[in-house]
Amino acid sequence: IVMTQSPATLSVSPGERATLSCRASQGVSSNLGWYQQKPGQAPRLLIYGASSRATGIPARFSGSGSGTEFTLTISSLQSEDFAVYYCQQYSNWPLTFGLGTKVEIK
Amino acid sequence: EVQLLESGGDLVQPGGSLRLSCAASGFTFSSFALSWVRQAPGKGLEWVSSIGSGGSTYYADSVKGRFTISRDNSKNTLYLQMNSLRAEDTAVYYCAKRIPVIANNVFDSWGQGKLVTVSS
Repeated sequence: IVMTQSPATLSVSPGERATLSCRASQGVSSNLGWYQQKPGQAPRLLIYGASSRATGIPARFSGSGSGTEFTLTISSLQSEDFAVYYCQQYSNWPLTFGLGTKVEIK
Repeated sequence: EVQLLESGGDLVQPGGSLRLSCAASGFTFSSFALSWVRQAPGKGLEWVSSIGSGGSTYYADSVKGRFTISRDNSKNTLYLQMNSLRAEDTAVYYCAKRIPVIANNVFDSWGQGKLVTVSS
């Protein structure tokens, strides 16, 4: 299953909303996760089951969608949110990630 | 606190072999599926292999037949034996633990990563 993320880069001002998209080449139901990765760090799980926040993740992060279309929304960007975000499907083996969306400061 | 600590990364020649280890602590090791995920320099994440709590194994097509994942529950350690290494295997390799939510194959804990460089 090929995961396509858009846009590749998103320029956003602090305090604004960011909307990231992830599309699956075939339906994955709600078997979709989102990760955040900062330079030199391991990824951090944000969302699983398309819309459930992982432990300790702030409420400004929300996920939605099912089937082939998914969205990660960051309601009000904080300085620490500028990073690369990846989606991952786990409906079928092999597990696959999207190529990522870089959220940068506008 | 969950901790995953990789070791064994290094510089190896094409065609060579290397074994990565991941020492785990802070959770019931034998009860969780574990995985290896890699990231080539400047690139995105690529799932490599997983092993279930019962020992079932899964591999990406790119490494099938060359890499072997295993676990030693008595030592709380995950392994990745990598043979016939290629330049395209150059990456940071992360070990990762599956989230403790049934039927959700995502990773809530990651090691710090270990660089494997395949070059002559």
